[in-house]
Amino acid sequence: GAVVSQHPSWVICKSGTSVKIECRSLDFQATTMFWYRQFPKQSLMLMATSNEGSKATYEQGVEKDKFLINHASLTLSTLTVTSAHPEDSSFYICSARGLRRNQRTDTQYFGPGTRLTVL
Amino acid sequence: GQNIDQPTEMTATEGAIVQINCTYQTSGFNGLFWYQQHAGEAPTFLSYNVLDGLEEKGRFSSFLSRSKGYSYLLLKELQMKDSASYLCAVRGGPSGNTGKLIFGQGTTLQVKP
Repeated sequence: GAVVSQHPSWVICKSGTSVKIECRSLDFQATTMFWYRQFPKQSLMLMATSNEGSKATYEQGVEKDKFLINHASLTLSTLTVTSAHPEDSSFYICSARGLRRNQRTDTQYFGPGTRLTVL
Repeated sequence: GQNIDQPTEMTATEGAIVQINCTYQTSGFNGLFWYQQHAGEAPTFLSYNVLDGLEEKGRFSSFLSRSKGYSYLLLKELQMKDSASYLCAVRGGPSGNTGKLIFGQGTTLQVKP
C-alpha cells in the first residue's frame, strides 16, 4: 500500500490564486521531507528540504516567498504555491525520508504527485 | 560538482535481461537508489545500495562499486509493464544530515514483444 500520500492529486486554478498541497507519511515518522518539481520528460528537480519544526532549505533558484513550505509535524508537510502563474504548471512530488518498521535502513519514499495546471 | 550519468533510452525484448548503468561523481556519498517511474506517475522505490556488491530483490538486482562511482540495475525476465523510466539517485553528504537525493536524467526503457 501507499507509504506517502499527497493531496490533491490534481488541481486546476486561475492565475494569481494560491494552491496548497499536502504530503503525509502514512506509517512512519519522516525525519525529513523533500519537495520536487518535474516538467514533462525531465527528471525530478529538488525544490526544498524541510525538517519538522524548522525552516525549509531551498535550492538555488527557487523562490522561498513563492513556494511556502510548512512542516508542522513528523508526518505532515505542506507546499503552498502563492500567486500561481501558468509557468508554475508542473508535476509536484513530495518525498519523505524515515525508517519504517521492519526496515533496516531509512529510505526516501515518494508521494503520488500533484499535477498543477494554472490557467 | 555533482554529476550522475545514465543512458537516455534503452530498448529490450520481453523475457530478456537488461542492465541499466549509472555513473556518479558527487560530494559525499551516503547511498544510491534506483526508482521506477511510469509516465504521469511518481517514482516508486526499487532498491538501495550503500555497500559494494549486489542486492537482489526478485526480478530486480542492483550493484554498486563505490571506488568506481558505478552502479547498475539489472532487470530479468522483462515484462511489458517494465516499460518505464528508471532513475538513479545518489544521496550525498555524510550520514545524519538531510541527505538530499541527486537524480540522474533517467533511462527510458521500452520493452517490445
